[in-house]
Amino acid sequence: KQEVTQIPAALSVPEGENLVLNCSFTDSAIYNLQWFRQDPGKGLTSLLLIQSSQREQTSGRLNASLDKSSGRSTLYIAASQPGDSATYLCAVYQGAQKLVFGQGTRLTINP
Amino acid sequence: GAVVSQHPSRVICKSGTSVKIECRSLDFQATTMFWYRQFPKQSLMLMATSNEGSKATYEQGVEKDKFLINHASLTLSTLTVTSAHPEDSSFYICSAESASGRANKFSYEQYFGPGTRLTVT
Repeated sequence: KQEVTQIPAALSVPEGENLVLNCSFTDSAIYNLQWFRQDPGKGLTSLLLIQSSQREQTSGRLNASLDKSSGRSTLYIAASQPGDSATYLCAVYQGAQKLVFGQGTRLTINP
Repeated sequence: GAVVSQHPSRVICKSGTSVKIECRSLDFQATTMFWYRQFPKQSLMLMATSNEGSKATYEQGVEKDKFLINHASLTLSTLTVTSAHPEDSSFYICSAESASGRANKFSYEQYFGPGTRLTVT
């Protein structure tokens, strides 16, 4: 059974810092991996999707990497801003359609 | 592109009543839609997968007679919570997979709706 773990569970940093969020998964037989952002009481906003054959994806200040063999992914956020405060969820596509989510990292950027 | 809507965004109902939540893909056809549940401060858990015109596939531990799913068209899926109880109070989120979005076997992607907050009193 696939398990997705995100570390840390919560993170608080001052504005302007670069930071890394970690995601690990137990079964390396995944199709894709996706990072989402969720604001309190809201739905999910897709940030980056990394296909199984890719090693990283970049969008603006965000960079996500994928190492299938070690079962790890990282989300790098450069020059953090207070508007980046949210919960970040990592999810893996297991068996093509089934998404398995981690518990999330609650990020707070302090002005 | 790839917008998914849900209605209602919030609903409060009395214990014992039924409530229906709609999930629509607005600008694409969705052969497959998914329903998730999220309890406070927890992650999303897949409840069921529905394919247009066929019965939904429920995850282990999800009561199919309690959570009725209908995927009658390529743009609409509904989740009906029957005889709701306070423990059914949760955030329900749907997602949809584009019928044409699967360019290759690696390009699976789900597009998520904004969620529905259900409170059963």
